[in-house]
Amino acid sequence: AQKITQTQPGMFVQEKEAVTLDCTYDTSDPSYGLFWYKQPSSGEMIFLIYQGSYDQQNATEGRYSLNFQKARKSANLVISASQLGDSAMYFCAMRGVSGGSYIPTFGRGTSLIVHP
Amino acid sequence: KAGVTQTPRYLIKTRGQQVTLSCSPISGHRSVSWYQQTPGQGLQFLFEYFSETQRNKGNFPGRFSGRQFSNSRSEMNVSTLELGDSALYLCASSPRTGTATSGANVLTFGAGSRLTVL
Repeated sequence: AQKITQTQPGMFVQEKEAVTLDCTYDTSDPSYGLFWYKQPSSGEMIFLIYQGSYDQQNATEGRYSLNFQKARKSANLVISASQLGDSAMYFCAMRGVSGGSYIPTFGRGTSLIVHP
Repeated sequence: KAGVTQTPRYLIKTRGQQVTLSCSPISGHRSVSWYQQTPGQGLQFLFEYFSETQRNKGNFPGRFSGRQFSNSRSEMNVSTLELGDSALYLCASSPRTGTATSGANVLTFGAGSRLTVL
């Protein structure tokens, strides 16, 4: 069975600083994808970044980067130069390739608050 | 390109009633999946439909059902509502081509339907 663990219920960061949101995962599937989503108070889940298990390089999308350490089974999200609009819940998720592991598994989320 | 559209956005029902939620996926996306989000349980997978067939199902009672139409639009139904069914119900669509680990299979979510059961 797949499992995603986000150990930080809440994080605070000063505007313009960088912040790292932690995510560890567990799966027996050798092939999988890791995703990060942002959920503002409006409720919509917004896709941020994706990392495939066989990707050699860490994924980057603008101010977002994914620090992928396969041996440690971690997929931390790094947000550089935080903005007030980054205040939201952030969810780490994974998806395998076969059977039940194809069903996405989500972590419990981290609430990020950006201070001016 | 239009996003995923969910209707209604908000609704209030009483125990014992039933509810139907609708989801229109991104044009060209053939997979639609549904999720229940509550403060206590987090985000939980309900089911996935692809080409009008249920492909995966989460661990929810039979009161929760869904279907997908030939145009890929999907509906989910909850019968005999209970207080614990109060939640944000999210729908997501994806192309579902290639492998599940392809970045092309990113889930695109709608804004959700917030159900309150009194």
